[in-house]
Amino acid sequence: QHVLTQPPSVSGTPGQRVIISCSGSHSNIESNAVNWYQHVPGTAPKLVIHSNGQRTSGVPGRFSGSKSGTSASLAISGLQSEDEADYYCATWDETLKGYVIGSGTEVIVL
Amino acid sequence: EVKLAESGGDLVQPGMSLRLSCTASGFTFSTYAMGWVRQAPGKGLEWVSAISSSAISTYYAASVRGRCIISRDNAKNTMFLQLNGLRVDDTAVYYCVKERIQFLEWLSGLDAWGKGTTVTVAS
Repeated sequence: QHVLTQPPSVSGTPGQRVIISCSGSHSNIESNAVNWYQHVPGTAPKLVIHSNGQRTSGVPGRFSGSKSGTSASLAISGLQSEDEADYYCATWDETLKGYVIGSGTEVIVL
Repeated sequence: EVKLAESGGDLVQPGMSLRLSCTASGFTFSTYAMGWVRQAPGKGLEWVSAISSSAISTYYAASVRGRCIISRDNAKNTMFLQLNGLRVDDTAVYYCVKERIQFLEWLSGLDAWGKGTTVTVAS
């Protein structure tokens, strides 16, 4: 049972925009900054968005993040084949006193 | 360049113990919180444990609390994870991670990850 809920998968054709949602609660998303990680199986995960909407150095501008209340989202505009990966939202949870990572979303480029 | 290198993963029987290590370089290790994240086969990422820069504060996921001890040696730029009473569902790749914000006592953004070390628990 994940504290942060994400859709299992989203898909789009090259050039399209896809959005990944992340639903949490007051004790996590609403109280702390949300981060997003890109994970290509077999490699180390990579931080792409921190502090709700700040891109990590080197991350293309087509990646953007936002947060409102107990939900957050990651948008990928101008989808490219290299964006195929699993994406996870994550933040600190004040009640659990621990780091919570979302259930993960597979981005599929058709 | 920030580098994190895990070691200590192995194939062990249920109930046994393992000590994982993470050796860091390329940054002032003693000023950053660190942690462990794991990924079981076919599953998503799961946070396991974290430790503040000074080691005063430690945190554990419910799934490992009571069986796991995190520690660090700032003089040797090394972090450890002692896993006791290992269970089959502890089988996973264990990643060492670094917190992005200096002097933060907990975890926010994990801006560096090691390549992982594999723990397999099976009889």
